[in-house]
Amino acid sequence: DAGVIQSPRHEVTEMGQEVTLRCKPISGHNSLFWYRQTMMRGLELLIYFNNNVPIDDSGMPEDRFSAKMPNASFSTLKIQPSEPRDSAVYFCASSLTSGSRETQYFGPGTRLLVL
Amino acid sequence: AQSVTQLDSQVPVFEEAPVELRCNYSSSVSVYLFWYVQYPNQGLQLLLKYLSGSTLVKGINGFEAEFNKSQTSFHLRKPSVHISDTAEYFCAVSDIQGAQKLVFGQGTRLTINP
Repeated sequence: DAGVIQSPRHEVTEMGQEVTLRCKPISGHNSLFWYRQTMMRGLELLIYFNNNVPIDDSGMPEDRFSAKMPNASFSTLKIQPSEPRDSAVYFCASSLTSGSRETQYFGPGTRLLVL
Repeated sequence: AQSVTQLDSQVPVFEEAPVELRCNYSSSVSVYLFWYVQYPNQGLQLLLKYLSGSTLVKGINGFEAEFNKSQTSFHLRKPSVHISDTAEYFCAVSDIQGAQKLVFGQGTRLTINP
């Protein structure tokens, strides 16, 4: 079975440019999560969706970040404009249901470098 | 709110030696507990989780963890490590009654030396 798919795997961009990260969750999963991993702050939850609806976006750093989930099989995380401090690995994860006991399945991540 | 402390940022051990990775948590409510592993350049993968019942939980790859409520700990152990266990290990908690949010510790980098 295919796991969580993220694209691109690596992204290098210049400050001020728009960046779009993409995620395809595991088929049949109804919860989707976006995380950011940095050396300084570790793993942080940015936002999560349940049945395509954003449930908690309190981790989104600022208005430059936005996330959408137009359907059950696709989500995007957009940064506009990007800044060097956004450089990090961004993970998408999905889970079968919305319970807090559920296992989250992580994608391979997108490594973002903003110059 | 919950918080997770992984007491060791790095743990070097020799192959076939036992290892314990320590995790303590703080929470005003009951929590579920998880250990995830991250191999180099990969996403996180569940090793094991404690939901209820027996406090000793067995996971994949020969790992186990013990939930100690009085000490608010969930330490991860393996009796004999292999080179392939080299990875970063994350302890995490979620609120039993609350939202589906995982709070992660800072991670412990396990390095296995031959």
